[in-house]
Amino acid sequence: GESVGLHLPTLSVQEGDNSIINCAYSNSASDYFIWYKQESGKGPQFIIDIRSNMDKRQGQRVTVLLNKTVKHLSLQIAATQPGDSAVYFCAENESTDKLIFGTGTRLQVFP
Amino acid sequence: DVKVTQSSRYLVKRTGEKVFLECVQDMDHENMFWYRQDPGLGLRLIYFSYDVKMKEKGDIPEGYSVSREKKERFSLILESASTNQTSMYLCASSFRGVQPQHFGDGTRLSIL
Repeated sequence: GESVGLHLPTLSVQEGDNSIINCAYSNSASDYFIWYKQESGKGPQFIIDIRSNMDKRQGQRVTVLLNKTVKHLSLQIAATQPGDSAVYFCAENESTDKLIFGTGTRLQVFP
Repeated sequence: DVKVTQSSRYLVKRTGEKVFLECVQDMDHENMFWYRQDPGLGLRLIYFSYDVKMKEKGDIPEGYSVSREKKERFSLILESASTNQTSMYLCASSFRGVQPQHFGDGTRLSIL
């Protein structure tokens, strides 16, 4: 199986509950942030992004919150489902075209 | 939908071999990227390209080279494979100056 999830912090939630995944970013000059989802055996999949001129952005069942003061990003997933089980990681832009990726959090959803 | 296709899902090679990993995207993206993904280290950029025949070193280029002869295709080359290059390799693409990057499903490479 996939070894990408080894050594990762894990968040375990019950199906139907809300999930909050956190990320601390490194560069106060970063102005664009992305959340990716990576399921076992697949590549990272774009979930949602946010620019630094915003502090909140909502998608379908997901919300990203940005706190520039403490350089913190969070991903909230409403009514978590088994299909949400995956590794989630954030990324910040190092430059216009390059990204720096976090190491990720494993989300486990149990019935 | 953006489609980034990596030619092999699993690959086993021997130490000292020259290894080619191929990536093709169908969205006319200018930017293409090669990363490796290792447990606890996240995604690390090996090389990227802004245009045909153009390449830039990423954070860990040692032991690798790349080729971009056509806009849609970006190849990663391990000149002489070593066991520490055993990893998951991910290709990504994006429009110039525009995020996000879109990823392929990866090639899990084992060097014996």
